[in-house]
Amino acid sequence: DTGVSQDPRHKITKRGQNVTFRCDPISEHNRLYWYRQTLGQGPEFLTYFQNEAQLEKSRLLSDRFSAERPKGSFSTLEIQRTEQGDSAMYLCASSLGSVHYEQYFGPGTRLTVT
Amino acid sequence: GENVEQHPSTLSVQEGDSAVIKCTYSDSASNYFPWYKQELGKRPQLIIDIRSNVGEKKDQRIAVTLNKTAKHFSLHITETQPEDSAVYFCAANRGRGNAGNMLTFGGGTRLMVKP
Repeated sequence: DTGVSQDPRHKITKRGQNVTFRCDPISEHNRLYWYRQTLGQGPEFLTYFQNEAQLEKSRLLSDRFSAERPKGSFSTLEIQRTEQGDSAMYLCASSLGSVHYEQYFGPGTRLTVT
Repeated sequence: GENVEQHPSTLSVQEGDSAVIKCTYSDSASNYFPWYKQELGKRPQLIIDIRSNVGEKKDQRIAVTLNKTAKHFSLHITETQPEDSAVYFCAANRGRGNAGNMLTFGGGTRLMVKP
């Protein structure tokens, strides 16, 4: 499968624990995006990387959230001290960049905080 | 920031009928408008998109129209089939700054096609 992949697909954690998600974009896509989707809503932008540089962060991204893309390939999203309000689907998307705007989504990681 | 509104929130049609979903956006700098289809438990799937330099784009049974002056765009599905049943999301990009075309999504339309 040459599409965007995410791991894990599901994560159940207790409040206060830290969690980390991974996203592998489509090969050669230099732009990578993280979105969050709650039930019945559209995805909401969290952050964006062009290669290894994190160029934009949403105000939705509190200090407990951090994202990295160390070598400009895969990316990780870490949530520290999880809260019940963090329960959501975390989606990753990638695009080729430049004039290629199309974003392709991964299957998402569903986080449940108990 | 960008605000995207989508209507209706639910749409029920008979198989073979047409379906139209409408979206409005607020940021005049937006220049890219994709539509995604999301089936239950699956990833959003890009089905069609349009850029601000054209007014209409068609791909088989799916078409999208854009009115830049009025800041609205619409998805048209003709000859609907049961497999078209899903949630459809419109989106608009941020056309300026460092956001690399981050997307703002509408609230979604649940389309149900009755056989």
